[in-house]
Amino acid sequence: GQQVMQIPQYQHVQEGEDFTTYCNSSTTLSNIQWYKQRPGGHPVFLIQLVKSGEVKKQKRLTFQFGEAKKNSSLHITATQTTDVGTYFCAGHEGAQKLVFGQGTRLTINP
Amino acid sequence: DVKVTQSSRYLVKRTGEKVFLECVQDMDHENMFWYRQDPGLGLRLIYFSYDVKMKEKGDIPEGYSVSREKKERFSLILESASTNQTSMYLCASSLGGAHSETQYFGPGTRLLVL
Repeated sequence: GQQVMQIPQYQHVQEGEDFTTYCNSSTTLSNIQWYKQRPGGHPVFLIQLVKSGEVKKQKRLTFQFGEAKKNSSLHITATQTTDVGTYFCAGHEGAQKLVFGQGTRLTINP
Repeated sequence: DVKVTQSSRYLVKRTGEKVFLECVQDMDHENMFWYRQDPGLGLRLIYFSYDVKMKEKGDIPEGYSVSREKKERFSLILESASTNQTSMYLCASSLGGAHSETQYFGPGTRLLVL
């Protein structure tokens, strides 16, 4: 079945440093979604990418969908303490169910 | 705003007990999902439902069952709880139709099976 791998599992940065998490699928995805889960909270939808090569920005967050629609990345510029949490990618393969990556847990040293 | 609620935030049960986890959404969503979240494994789909009285197995349905008698309510049942079912359980809902829609999550139930 479809597998979505996400790296790294953990990332610790100094406040102000950049952060990137990568997501790779074993199969071509129809779209990819990104979620953020704050410590003690639940996953909250951030964005969905649909088109090959698509790039979307939300303030300091930049999301990319690969040309082959098998990988994606989330980059945060100049991290702030409010960025702490676990970031999940999740992909659909055609009409199948949403498959989540393992998540990247971001911690920040203020 | 979509609101997804779960009956308990924390639950402690004994091995062999029957456990009910309830989830309610208030936005008339067609789709509802149950996941469990474990460190290093992300979110794994247990069961989902696209309509009342309809259910589909997810990736890890063994040891679980579900019930959807009303559109707004989706229950997860552990027929005989075991220690390996200690986990965080998350319910989610989405509007309907295609899978490619935003999922809205409840606050989660942290279950400890002793």
